Amino acid sequence: GESVGLHLPTLSVQEGDNSIINCAYSNSASDYFIWYKQESGKGPQFIIDIRSNMDKRQGQRVTVLLNKTVKHLSLQIAATQPGDSAVYFCAEKMLRGALTFGSGTRLQVQP
Amino acid sequence: EPEVTQTPSHQVTQMGQEVILRCVPISNHLYFYWYRQILGQKVEFLVSFYNNEISEKSEIFDDQFSVERPDGSNFTLKIRSTKLEDSAMYFCASSLFDRPGVFGSGTQLSVL
Repeated sequence: GESVGLHLPTLSVQEGDNSIINCAYSNSASDYFIWYKQESGKGPQFIIDIRSNMDKRQGQRVTVLLNKTVKHLSLQIAATQPGDSAVYFCAEKMLRGALTFGSGTRLQVQP
Repeated sequence: EPEVTQTPSHQVTQMGQEVILRCVPISNHLYFYWYRQILGQKVEFLVSFYNNEISEKSEIFDDQFSVERPDGSNFTLKIRSTKLEDSAMYFCASSLFDRPGVFGSGTQLSVL
């Protein structure tokens, strides 16, 4: 069946480095994608989104890239900080705002 | 900043018992959702609610589940007869428009 998934379960980076978290999706009809951050004991927190008519979108220290040819989504975090340590999920929007989440990547930032 | 509030933060129940998980969405939001996350797994969609009715539900949301917006502020998820496999973190979310919304901090349900 169609699914949204992640390549790397754990990513460890040094503080100050850039982080790249990847996501592969298989539903070619998907037109809206979101990255969420989830800290321990908390709910998913919206980071950034992108529509399928775009290939790049930038926020504050974060950039999302969408490659529809290979059905690949990535989240880039610039100058990674200890507070960025969390699990990151990509998600695909279904009807009425309901989401299909990927499996998650744990980002560990080493001081 | 407005928040989605969920109570209780942790609910322990015996198998076969009914539980009601409560959520107070952001006050001017119109779309409401329940998701769950089994320990170590991804977040899964359960149900969405708009204009006082279910607008979409997943295969997980079977007859033992129901949702209700009993008044202007609360949004509840009821599990009629809990099973061991219902143990999970349950997240409520709300949004103003038909787009991904703000999540609450969740209710950890433990079925014994």
